[in-house]
Amino acid sequence: KNEVEQSPQNLTAQEGEFITINCSYSVGISALHWLQQHPGGGIVSLFMLSSGKKKHGRLIATINIQEKHSSLHITASHPRDSAVYICAVPIQGAQKLVFGQGTRLTINP
Amino acid sequence: NAGVMQNPRHLVRRRGQEARLRCSPMKGHSHVYWYRQLPEEGLKFMVYLQKENIIDESGMPKERFSAEFPKEGPSILRIQQVVRGDSAAYFCASSPGLGPHYGYTFGSGTRLTVV
Repeated sequence: KNEVEQSPQNLTAQEGEFITINCSYSVGISALHWLQQHPGGGIVSLFMLSSGKKKHGRLIATINIQEKHSSLHITASHPRDSAVYICAVPIQGAQKLVFGQGTRLTINP
Repeated sequence: NAGVMQNPRHLVRRRGQEARLRCSPMKGHSHVYWYRQLPEEGLKFMVYLQKENIIDESGMPKERFSAEFPKEGPSILRIQQVVRGDSAAYFCASSPGLGPHYGYTFGSGTRLTVV
C-alpha cells in the first residue's frame, strides 16, 4: 500500500462544476502539500496546511490530521483548471516528500 | 526573485552519453531536493542536499547517478552513461530551512530524453 493515496485518478467534469479530490496518507505528518502540474509544465505549490482549511481564490484545501485525510476543492471549475493535482507529505523530518500518484483533472467547456 | 531555475528545460542524449542537469535554488534557500518523474508515474525522491553536503541520497540509483551542491553555483545532477530508462522529468525544489512548515518551491523541471 502506498503511503499516500489519491482518488480519483482521473476526473472529467463540465465547466462550472464543483470538484473534489481526495488524499489519504498512512504516515504521521504535521503538514501536507497540494501541488498542481500542467501537461509538460512545472510544479506549482498550491497549499501547505497542517490543520483546518485554507482558501485561495476558487481553491479550498481541508485537512483532518486525526483521520489522515485531506481534500482539495475547486469551485466554479474552468477549463484552465485542467491539470494534474498532487498531494504530498513530508517524512523523515521533512527531508523528503512522498507523493500521491496524482489526479488528472479535465474540465470541458 | 526568479524562483527555482532549472536548465536546460529539455535535454536529448544518446545512450552512453552524460547528462548534466542544473538547479539554482531561490535566493536565500540552502536546501535543495531532486525528484524524478518517470513517464506515467508519480514523483519520487532522489536526493537532498545542503550547501556542499549530501544529506540523504537514499532515492538515488546506486550507479551512474551523482549530485552536488557546491559552495558557489547551482546544484548539479549528473547521470553518466545514460540509458533509455533514464528518460524522465527531473524536478528540483528548494526550501529555506528544514522542517515541515518551511514549504518548498519547485522548478520547471528538465525533461531528459535518451535516444
